Amino acid sequence: GAGVSQSPSNKVTEKGKDVELRCDPISGHTALYWYRQSLGQGLEFLIYFQGNSAPDKSGLPSDRFSAERTGGSVSTLTIQRTQQEDSAVYLCASSFGYKRGGYEQYFGPGTRLTVT
Amino acid sequence: GDSVTQMEGPVTLSEEAFLTINCTYTATGYPSLFWYVQYPGEGLQLLLKATKADDKGSNKGFEATYRKETTSFHLEKGSVQVSDSAVYFCALQTNQGGKLIFGQGTELSVKP
Repeated sequence: GAGVSQSPSNKVTEKGKDVELRCDPISGHTALYWYRQSLGQGLEFLIYFQGNSAPDKSGLPSDRFSAERTGGSVSTLTIQRTQQEDSAVYLCASSFGYKRGGYEQYFGPGTRLTVT
Repeated sequence: GDSVTQMEGPVTLSEEAFLTINCTYTATGYPSLFWYVQYPGEGLQLLLKATKADDKGSNKGFEATYRKETTSFHLEKGSVQVSDSAVYFCALQTNQGGKLIFGQGTELSVKP
């Protein structure tokens, strides 16, 4: 079946502009995660959605970052007023839910964001 | 806070050499532990996992044992191949939710 898909695959934007990154999880997966992979910081957790529960936003680096998940499926990560330090690969992952160690997270190919 | 520390790379080995990539963690409670692999040009994928102390995860000839006494989850393979060249990430998942906390990643390069 189809895996996690993300769009766009590459995005170049000017400093100060807003960007939206999209994630389509695997059908039937109730949990959705956003991570960021950058040279300086490695792989960092950003935000986690599980079903209808309030999202875990503890990893969002600033209030310029927000995410929503509509209809329990597609998710959009929005970065407002982008800064050069936002340049990174943004990864989305999904899983069947959360069970201690039980559900594998499947990762998408990522969106490479470059802020000039 | 919870964290994962893994040995820095890059690690360069000859084909058929023995591989160890060290990983230690700090966490409250009893986390689940994972190794993820990122092959060149591909996405992250789960390599193996262990959910409790003394569990051994294994896949594709790789093994790692959950050692609570040393808070470690070292990755080993007896005989590496060129196709094992990739970046390897150690990660933990706490009992408080599904997020993964990753180490910095270790790049492995295997030469023929």
